[in-house]
Amino acid sequence: AQSVTQLGSHVSVSEGALVLLRCNYSSSVPPYLFWYVQYPNQGLQLLLKYTTGATLVKGINGFEAEFKKSETSFHLTKPSAHMSDAAEYFCAVNFFGGNEKLTFGTGTRLTIIP
Amino acid sequence: EAGVTQFPSHSVIEKGQTVTLRCDPISGHDNLYWYRRVMGKEIKFLLHFVKESKQDESGMPNNRFLAERTGGTYSTLKVQPAELEDSGVYFCASSQDIYPSGRLSYNEQFFGPGTRLTVL
Repeated sequence: AQSVTQLGSHVSVSEGALVLLRCNYSSSVPPYLFWYVQYPNQGLQLLLKYTTGATLVKGINGFEAEFKKSETSFHLTKPSAHMSDAAEYFCAVNFFGGNEKLTFGTGTRLTIIP
Repeated sequence: EAGVTQFPSHSVIEKGQTVTLRCDPISGHDNLYWYRRVMGKEIKFLLHFVKESKQDESGMPNNRFLAERTGGTYSTLKVQPAELEDSGVYFCASSQDIYPSGRLSYNEQFFGPGTRLTVL
């Protein structure tokens, strides 16, 4: 069965340090991959997506993610964390394309240490 | 352009009561999805409307949940009677339709702010 795994429900990094949030999926066919962010008291906002083409995708607020088919991974990174990055991040996958549902990971809460 | 809106933002009810959540999708979006996040768990799919038709309701937990989308515009999700385990955040999302649908295409789902439901 298709699934999405996010390692680490809580991640803390110092301001200015590298942010790395991990996402792995299980599927025999490359799916469509998304990262969403939820800031406190707000809804889910799309950070970035991988559909086809270049495997390194850039999103908003300096985030980027790399699709690695051989590792079935789509890890999210940001070179230098900012206090405003504190939020919960969700990896989501559309396994079947088209208008099909999203399957989410359990989320990772990112805390930025001043 | 207005985004997806949900009402209410918070609801606190007693076990056994009825609650109705509402979602207004982005204008022109035929696809409407309901998801739910129970505390500490992943966001889980509940069901998918295409216009007024239920395309996929495989995620609905049981028959205490009833979703409708009359006229293919806004949608309601009714929980009757509510149980403690129904507490969580209910998200609605919408997307434009994709022609043709299939593996060579994808949609982008736009999410609302969610309704936090607490059942006491």
